[in-house]
Amino acid sequence: DAKTTQPNSMESNEEEPVHLPCNHSTISGTDYIHWYRQLPSQGPEYVIHGLTSNVNNRMASLAIAEDRKSSTLILHRATLRDAAVYYCTGGNTDKLIFGTGTRLQVFP
Amino acid sequence: GAVVSQHPSRVICKSGTSVKIECRSLDFQATTMFWYRQFPKQSLMLMATSNEGSKATYEQGVEKDKFLINHASLTLSTLTVTSAHPEDSSFYICSARDRYQSPLHFGNGTRLTVT
Repeated sequence: DAKTTQPNSMESNEEEPVHLPCNHSTISGTDYIHWYRQLPSQGPEYVIHGLTSNVNNRMASLAIAEDRKSSTLILHRATLRDAAVYYCTGGNTDKLIFGTGTRLQVFP
Repeated sequence: GAVVSQHPSRVICKSGTSVKIECRSLDFQATTMFWYRQFPKQSLMLMATSNEGSKATYEQGVEKDKFLINHASLTLSTLTVTSAHPEDSSFYICSARDRYQSPLHFGNGTRLTVT
């Protein structure tokens, strides 16, 4: 399983884009990169995942570096409801290991 | 979308008693479910992998006799914390995937407080 490194915290203003980075330099060639987020006292929520190509869905975009050693989760317009801890994980879902995550604060 | 239901959402028990937590996949079959534990301000720690019809696989350092896991059907896994002690107080979260390599779907967690 890939070890991931993320900044402990980030801040954003409402309506602005947010780029959340993640390093996963030990990821294997067949491991997907997953992003989840967690609100206080709730289970994590799936955000997005990808293998090699950039991915978009209704929640976010995922930009994966060509060497796959890093990725960036992009929230195009942050809202107050996006304030959460964001976890990136690398591996197959038979055993996803979560790092410490990035706590995103969004200011009105 | 795939939904995982976890029950109860919170439980308070006395030291020495046992507590059972249920995890159900509501609209899909899950041959594999995962149990995590999370202490305040910390990340999720994988405790064990629950396999339908066979024994669970525990992570290093997790006592299998203390955290009993049963996965008797394709939609239900249970975690029983036996002889609970205050240090077992934590947030327990289950998850499941609906097919191989698909993302995990998480329950809303169970807050266990042992007094």
